[in-house]
Amino acid sequence: DIQMTQSPASLSASLGETVTIECRASEDIYSNLAWYQQKPGNSPQLLIYDANSLADGVPSRFSGSGSGTQYSLKINSLQSEDVASYFCQQYNNYWTFGGGTKLELK
Amino acid sequence: QVKLLQSGAALVKPGASVKMSCKASGYTFTDYWVSWVKQSHGKSLEWIGEIYPNSGATNFNEKFKGKATLTVDKSTSTAYMELSRLTSEDSAIYYCTRPDSEGWFAYWGQGTLVTVSS
Repeated sequence: DIQMTQSPASLSASLGETVTIECRASEDIYSNLAWYQQKPGNSPQLLIYDANSLADGVPSRFSGSGSGTQYSLKINSLQSEDVASYFCQQYNNYWTFGGGTKLELK
Repeated sequence: QVKLLQSGAALVKPGASVKMSCKASGYTFTDYWVSWVKQSHGKSLEWIGEIYPNSGATNFNEKFKGKATLTVDKSTSTAYMELSRLTSEDSAIYYCTRPDSEGWFAYWGQGTLVTVSS
């Protein structure tokens, strides 16, 4: 099974700040990686697929990068509506999720 | 547009079973696999398994073999998941989701909360 290690588990940032969340796979997943945003009481929503492709309707302040086993999600100019939990997911071999990052406002 | 409408919350006793539903609309139900995902309170997400409505073929996360049974009713475009021999560890929100053809989970149901308690 492919393990996904996500960091940090929680993050506190100020409005307008840039934040980065990391995800490491236990083996090469060939950019078969997605990022999801989940707000309290809601289902996860797709943000990024194929490591760096923005899903429809997602603001351009979100971006993804990485390859091989190392991936990251960057949020530029943090907005209040970005307060949520974020999860990475590999789909190279079935599906595995990272442990999640809870993003709060400082 | 694609919609996945899940059944309501369930309160069930330890040792019992629960069956939940996921009604799909906005696309050809038999063309796409349907996956199920578990989210325990305050925790991350676990893929349980998937079913291909056209054939009924299934694949499971080893952890959930023997725990989850997946079925479909093609006539109503509805997928079902039954969880058996419930314990407190099964208390969670369960999502149905439809992957995009390339593998990421493009569409999610609203979730079904299962609480196991005597």
